[in-house]
Amino acid sequence: IAGITQAPTSQILAAGRRMTLRCTQDMRHNAMYWYRQDLGLGLRLIHYSNTAGTTGKGEVPDGYSVSRANTDDFPLTLASAVPSQTSVYFCASRPHQGGPLTFGAGSRLTVL
Amino acid sequence: KNQVEQSPQSLIILEGKNCTLQCNYTVSPFSNLRWYKQDTGRGPVSLTIMTFSENTKSNGRYTATLDADTKQSSLHITASQLSDSASYICVVRLFNQAGTALIFGKGTTLSVSS
Repeated sequence: IAGITQAPTSQILAAGRRMTLRCTQDMRHNAMYWYRQDLGLGLRLIHYSNTAGTTGKGEVPDGYSVSRANTDDFPLTLASAVPSQTSVYFCASRPHQGGPLTFGAGSRLTVL
Repeated sequence: KNQVEQSPQSLIILEGKNCTLQCNYTVSPFSNLRWYKQDTGRGPVSLTIMTFSENTKSNGRYTATLDADTKQSSLHITASQLSDSASYICVVRLFNQAGTALIFGKGTTLSVSS
């Protein structure tokens, strides 16, 4: 089934630990995005990639890094997790700038 | 500042009733506006897209309207069903910008009860 796969679905993490959220798409979409969704704040862009080999910062990039080695994969890394990074993280992609976003099912991360 | 404001924040209606969700934006330059539906525990899914020249567009029981002059959009749901219970998110795209070009509203949470 074409779409976006995120892993893990849910994770509890100790503060200070390193964590990578995985995102893979099989639609050959050029652009990929990472959002976090918090109650009352809606979806906020963390990092994006318009095409393989390029990345950019979104609205809330601090504490996060991404890489885009190929078209399909776009991992999000928290180098040293803090409790304020407790959130639901969504990976998304779209084929071109005007197309709709396709979202993954989300990764729920709790940092204690 | 580019902003998207949605109202109401939450809404409870009885099954079978109609409802209208509002989205006001101050985004410029405007490219298009999308409504997304997000079921609990899932990612958002696109319902409809409105471009500058379009006033209304339907997708089944969902009808979106756009007034580009007043910078307002609405999503009307007809004959609501329990499965309509979800968060509805209004997203406006800036014209000709990549990456950070999407401005998200905070969503309206709709609960349909029997």
